Amino acid sequence: QVQLQESGPGLVKPSETLSLICTVSGASISSYYWSWIRQSPGKGLEWIGYIYHRGSPKYNPSLESRLTISVDTSKNQFSLKLNSMTAADTAVYYCARVRAYGDWYFDLWGRGTLVTVSS
Amino acid sequence: EVVLTQSPATLSLSPGERATLSCRASQSVSGYLTWYQQKSGQAPRLLLYDVSNRATGIPARFSGSGSGTDFTLTISSLEPEDFAVYFCQQRDKWPLTFGQGTRLEIK
Repeated sequence: QVQLQESGPGLVKPSETLSLICTVSGASISSYYWSWIRQSPGKGLEWIGYIYHRGSPKYNPSLESRLTISVDTSKNQFSLKLNSMTAADTAVYYCARVRAYGDWYFDLWGRGTLVTVSS
Repeated sequence: EVVLTQSPATLSLSPGERATLSCRASQSVSGYLTWYQQKSGQAPRLLLYDVSNRATGIPARFSGSGSGTDFTLTISSLEPEDFAVYFCQQRDKWPLTFGQGTRLEIK
């Protein structure tokens, strides 16, 4: 059974960098594309970006200037770094599995982790 | 980017009734429209992909239709576990975008 688990700080100060990790169990991270998605009351669900174990990640242009998504195949994890955090970045952050290359929808999600930006 | 507008924002129905949820795209997304269900405190769950294909384990009472810019999710006869929030998502154009959701509540 494939499972995804997000981990990271629940509280981030304004202007700091958010770092989140998604740990994949039950499947090789090299076999799929993986995404980060966030959900906030104000903006609903927002796709952040995707990563594959080869090639370059693809980012939402609205976040691209602040965003880095990377993969660690040795740990079966992928990660998100979002810098210059503001209150607008407060959201539940999900990691999710992309169904397949070209089938850009999400067939498996983590439980999500709430990130609050506050001093 | 493609804006997906879902209506109504809230739909109040009783178990056994038929639910019809709408998702309208600001430009054509061909047949690349996905539906998710989200229950309170849980992650979204994949329901239908490419308009009308049910994901694994999704009951036949869930169906989808539409093309281009107008799409519909229909639940033929509501079960108590169907009361949740439903989101649509398009995969035709980058960036991937979601609708703001329709809350299906018990009347």
